[in-house]
Amino acid sequence: SYELTQPPSVSVSPGQTASITCSGDKLGDKYACWYQQKPGQSPALVIYQDGKRPSGIPERFSGSNSGNTATLTISGTQAMDEADYYCQAWDSSTYVFGTGTKVTVL
Amino acid sequence: QVQLQESGPGLVKPSQTLSLTCTVSGGSLTSGSYYWSWIRQPAGKGLEWIGRIYHSGTTNYNPSLKSRVTISVDTSKNQFSLKLSSVTAADTAVYYCAREGYSPGYGVAYWGQGTLVTVSS
Repeated sequence: SYELTQPPSVSVSPGQTASITCSGDKLGDKYACWYQQKPGQSPALVIYQDGKRPSGIPERFSGSNSGNTATLTISGTQAMDEADYYCQAWDSSTYVFGTGTKVTVL
Repeated sequence: QVQLQESGPGLVKPSQTLSLTCTVSGGSLTSGSYYWSWIRQPAGKGLEWIGRIYHSGTTNYNPSLKSRVTISVDTSKNQFSLKLSSVTAADTAVYYCAREGYSPGYGVAYWGQGTLVTVSS
């Protein structure tokens, strides 16, 4: 079965850039999506089709996908961005989620 | 604005069948091109996609759960449902219903608030 691997944690200082990677075999040939989940809340879509932002998502969130790696970048990270982030891709008629990354804003 | 609400028993005994319903409001589940999905999350763990259904009845299931899962739709009630058979403690999780874009790259834009289902005798 297809697997998507993320680093368990990423730490970033306020105002700095956080980069979260998502690795999977030939992931660049598929579309990647990214979700933000804060404690006690449902996940929220922050990036779809590799790099597009849904309405209402701040411009500081951006995404890219090439080769075996998709990347979510948070520029000018704010304290409110502290959350768990999950990547997602479609493979063999199944959606697969990444292992998740906890972003801590120090 | 589409809203989704899960409902069903919060406690299920081992070996029994877990049954949940998702009620869609703010729009018809037959309008537009969307799939309607179930996703779960054990406490402190990651997200697991269970499966999805189109209003026509077309389904896709996670291969790891396929033998135990049935997703159905009731367009007259604007609801879709999940049945998971032969449950064990490993099926204890928060279960979310959600709406996916028709094409894979669009992801899951709308989520219910989630409902905790505990499997225990």
